[in-house]
Amino acid sequence: EAGVAQSPRYKIIEKRQSVAFWCNPISGHATLYWYQQILGQGPKLLIQFQNNGVVDDSQLPKDRFSAERLKGVDSTLKIQPAKLEDSAVYLCASSLDGASRGRGNTIYFGEGSWLTVV
Amino acid sequence: AQSVTQPDIHITVSEGASLELRCNYSYGATPYLFWYVQSPGQGLQLLLKYFSGDTLVQGIKGFEAEFKRSQSSFNLRKPSVHWSDAAEYFCAVGAGRGSTLGRLYFGRGTQLTVWP
Repeated sequence: EAGVAQSPRYKIIEKRQSVAFWCNPISGHATLYWYQQILGQGPKLLIQFQNNGVVDDSQLPKDRFSAERLKGVDSTLKIQPAKLEDSAVYLCASSLDGASRGRGNTIYFGEGSWLTVV
Repeated sequence: AQSVTQPDIHITVSEGASLELRCNYSYGATPYLFWYVQSPGQGLQLLLKYFSGDTLVQGIKGFEAEFKRSQSSFNLRKPSVHWSDAAEYFCAVGAGRGSTLGRLYFGRGTQLTVWP
């Protein structure tokens, strides 16, 4: 079974530039998550989708970050304009059904997209 | 509010020695608990999870964890560490309500170094 796919793996941009990350979740997974992991910290949830709808974006800096999952499958996360403090790993993850209590709740992570803003 | 505390930022053990990584959580209801491992340049790999039932959970790579409700803890253990276990370990609690039930709150991680 293929895992969560992310691209690009690495990106270096200058501050105030824009960047986009792409994620393809595990086939059949209804719930998709974007996490931000700053060096030395644990991952922090940015946004959670259930199919193509947003269920939680309370931690997403909406003045510069946006995300979409138009067809309920793959997703893109965009940052515009980037700041130095956006340097982090952006982890995409998916689960069978994040709304279920039980084993469908297990979240699987991709390898991450590493962003450096200079 | 949900939170996870991993009190040890860095642990060093000798190969073959036993290991225990500590994790304490804060959550008002019955938690879902997870341990993930992250090798350099890699994503997070699930080691084990606790949803309900037996409080001693077995995972991959010889790891186990014990859920202790009275102590709000979910410590990770391994009886004999291998050099390949060197990585960063994250404890997480799954919480939320309704459609946000799947979100995870992570601790800051414990970096494990293994001496030959």
